[in-house]
Amino acid sequence: ETGVTQTPRHLVMGMTNKKSLKCEQHLGHNAMYWYKQSAKKPLELMFVYSLEERVENNSVPSRFSPECPNSSHLFLHLHTLQPEDSALYLCASSQGSSLGGYTFGSGTRLTVV
Amino acid sequence: KQEVTQIPAALSVPEGENLVLNCSFTDSAIYNLQWFRQDPGKGLTSLLLIQSSQREQTSGRLNASLDKSSGRSTLYIAASQPGDSATYLCAVSSGFQKLVFGTGTRLLVSP
Repeated sequence: ETGVTQTPRHLVMGMTNKKSLKCEQHLGHNAMYWYKQSAKKPLELMFVYSLEERVENNSVPSRFSPECPNSSHLFLHLHTLQPEDSALYLCASSQGSSLGGYTFGSGTRLTVV
Repeated sequence: KQEVTQIPAALSVPEGENLVLNCSFTDSAIYNLQWFRQDPGKGLTSLLLIQSSQREQTSGRLNASLDKSSGRSTLYIAASQPGDSATYLCAVSSGFQKLVFGTGTRLLVSP
């Protein structure tokens, strides 16, 4: 399998649930990202991992907890979310300084009820 | 702070027309600019990547130009087809590992 793969594609969760989003890249990239896309808003950068170290946390609430166990895998752990957290969550990867551009996954459509 | 604007926000054209999508950015100190396509509810597909030292890139019916000094890029789509209907996003790499997106242009090509 090539590119960036995200699972699950769709997720419905209650506000008291705990769930995780998974992202996997097979491109040999060393940086991975989580983005949030809400209706009628630009994509918002949430987290950046470079060489498995978190290098940016864009003022994201603590109910979102990222994890990068190795350069190919990235997780977003979710707990006690709010309905306004419903959105499309996109994972991306890039190599080094991003001169090669970014590759995105297909996203996870999250609905919080 | 880098800001990216895309005009128009929405565009509806009949099949076969040539069209131009516009992207402007406020800080010309960029590494590169990338055009993406997004189908409803789906992820982003990279269309073209232009490095800051380049003026344009072409892929099939798509041509993207970059004028870094004026903070502008255009995406030209030749002979549009219904399958081109999607949202087109412009994003600039502005600083190490920082990708800033515009709000997109929603394109509808009718048969």
